[in-house]
Amino acid sequence: GAGVSQSPSNKVTEKGKDVELRCDPISGHTALYWYRQSLGQGLEFLIYFQGNSAPDKSGLPSDRFSAERTGGSVSTLTIQRTQQEDSAVYLCASSEWTRSYEQYFGPGTRLTVT
Amino acid sequence: GDSVTQMEGPVTLSEEAFLTINCTYTATGYPSLFWYVQYPGEGLQLLLKATKADDKGSNKGFEATYRKETTSFHLEKGSVQVSDSAVYFCALTGSGSARQLTFGSGTQLTVLP
Repeated sequence: GAGVSQSPSNKVTEKGKDVELRCDPISGHTALYWYRQSLGQGLEFLIYFQGNSAPDKSGLPSDRFSAERTGGSVSTLTIQRTQQEDSAVYLCASSEWTRSYEQYFGPGTRLTVT
Repeated sequence: GDSVTQMEGPVTLSEEAFLTINCTYTATGYPSLFWYVQYPGEGLQLLLKATKADDKGSNKGFEATYRKETTSFHLEKGSVQVSDSAVYFCALTGSGSARQLTFGSGTQLTVLP
């Protein structure tokens, strides 16, 4: 079946612009996660959703970052007023809630802020 | 908070050599432990897992044993192949309600023919 998909695969934006990154999880997976992979910070957790609810937003690096999930499916990560330090690969993963240890990752969105 | 420490790379081996990538962790309670692999140009894939002490995870000839007494989860393979060249990440999920993965810094493995 289809895996986790993310769009766009690459995004180049100017400093100060807003960007939206999209994640389409595996059908039936109620849990969805966002991570960021950057040279300086490695792989870091940003936020997770159980259904449409995000119980813990403390991993988001600043208030410029927000995320939502609708219909228990697609999720959007929004970064407002992008900064150069936001440049990274943004990864989305999904899992069955009872098997959260088995997370399936999408190919990522490479964000470059110029 | 939880953390994972991996041996730094890059690691370069000849085909059929023995591989060990060290991984130690700090976590409260009883975390689940994982190895993920990222092949060139591909996304992260779960390689193997262990959910309780003394469990051995295995897949594709790779093995790792959950050692609570030494808080370790070292990855081993007896005979590596060129196709094993990838970045390997050790990770854990905590035993509380948080479900996110905490990753190590990754180890780049290159296997030469």
